Amino acid sequence: IAGITQAPTSQILAAGRRMTLRCTQDMRHNAMYWYRQDLGLGLRLIHYSNTAGTTGKGEVPDGYSVSRANTDDFPLTLASAVPSQTSVYFCASSRTSGGSDTQYFGPGTRLTVL
Amino acid sequence: GQNIDQPTEMTATEGAIVQINCTYQTSGFNGLFWYQQHAGEAPTFLSYNVLDGLEEKGRFSSFLSRSKGYSYLLLKELQMKDSASYLCAVISNDYKLSFGAGTTVTVRA
Repeated sequence: IAGITQAPTSQILAAGRRMTLRCTQDMRHNAMYWYRQDLGLGLRLIHYSNTAGTTGKGEVPDGYSVSRANTDDFPLTLASAVPSQTSVYFCASSRTSGGSDTQYFGPGTRLTVL
Repeated sequence: GQNIDQPTEMTATEGAIVQINCTYQTSGFNGLFWYQQHAGEAPTFLSYNVLDGLEEKGRFSSFLSRSKGYSYLLLKELQMKDSASYLCAVISNDYKLSFGAGTTVTVRA
C-alpha cells in the first residue's frame, strides 16, 4: 500500500511558468488537502476537497488552483509561478472531512521559483 | 484567524523527559492533534485529544485542557530518534486543521 504519493519530489521553476504538482492516494479517502510549509510559519492550508467533485479555499489560496475529478487524484496548479511560492508543498488525505479523522501526509514536493 | 503558540526549540538529554506546550485561541474547537516531523520528511500522526485529560501511548502522552486552551505533549525516556519537530494542530469550527509553527526537539547523548 503506497498511501499518498506526490510528484515531482523537487523542482526548480522560472518565475512566470505554469506548474502542476501531482498527488495521488490509494486509501479511498474522501477528503484531500494541499498545504505549504515555510520556515517559522508552520503548515498552511491552500485548498481542500471534502469529496470528489468539490473543492474549497483554505488560508492561502491566491495563485493556486485545484481540481478533484476523482477520489484518488488532487493536483495543485500554479498558473504563473512567483518567487514567494518557493516552499515545500504537502498533500494530505483523511477518510472524511470530519474533525476527528486523522490526516495522512504525502512525502512533499520542494519547489523553488527563481 | 487561528492563533496557536508553541516554543520554537527545546533540547534534552537521552533518557530524559521533555514537555512541549501548546496554547491556542481558535474559532471553536473540535479536537487537537500532535504530529511528529523528521527533517525532510512528512508529518506523521502522534495523538488526538478532544476531551480534557491525559492520553497515553507508550513513551508519548498528550494532555488537553479545553477551558485553558492548552495542551502538552510529553515525551518520556527520550531516544536519539525522537529528535524532530513536533506540530500542534487544532480543528476549529470549519473542521480544518490549523497548525502551530512547530517545536524542534534536539536530543543529546
